[in-house]
Amino acid sequence: NAGVIQTPRHKVTGKGQEATLWCEPISGHSAVFWYRQTIVQGLEFLTYFRNQAPIDDSGMPKERFSAQMPNQSHSTLKIQSTQPQDSAVYLCASSLPHWGGDYAEQFFGPGTRLTVL
Amino acid sequence: GDSVTQTEGQVALSEEDFLTIHCNYSASGYPTLFWYVQYPGEGPQLLFRASRDKEKGSSRGFEATYDKGTTSFHLRKASVQESDSAVYYCALSDQSYGNEKITFGAGTKLTIKP
Repeated sequence: NAGVIQTPRHKVTGKGQEATLWCEPISGHSAVFWYRQTIVQGLEFLTYFRNQAPIDDSGMPKERFSAQMPNQSHSTLKIQSTQPQDSAVYLCASSLPHWGGDYAEQFFGPGTRLTVL
Repeated sequence: GDSVTQTEGQVALSEEDFLTIHCNYSASGYPTLFWYVQYPGEGPQLLFRASRDKEKGSSRGFEATYDKGTTSFHLRKASVQESDSAVYYCALSDQSYGNEKITFGAGTKLTIKP
């Protein structure tokens, strides 16, 4: 089991360029979560999908950020017109299906470190 | 909205010292509480969780007890080792409303001197 795979591990973009981050969840997991980690703000929830359907995007900045899950084997986070304040580690997590009130553990990938110059 | 407060930003101890990291939470429902540990270059990994009042979670000598009355979930370990050096996050997920997102505290960087 390779765990959650995130690519690239590091990405450097110029201000105004687009950045696309990829996440491959653990096989058999039906939920994908995106979080952002910075020194100032800490770990923040961005958005998540279950069974490829968007469930909650309350943490996503309203402009320039979008996420998709076109199939059960990958999800993407796209940032248009990147700004220096977008520099962060973007973490993806996945979890198994869950039923009722039973909690399904989230397994995190190593993250993608985005640096916007 | 939900929130988690960790009092200590950094803790420095010697091996075999007793560890306490304080965590208090605020949630509108009845959340599941977690402690996560993060090592450099890795994502957070679950240390343990607790879902009900008075439930104790534990792993690798670390433990915490869910206290609904004081809205706390303090992390303790009787004798720390150098290998425990990492960043520890208290967190919650309030699935009372069917939402699985996790809200994290600010984290506590633990450094153990040999």
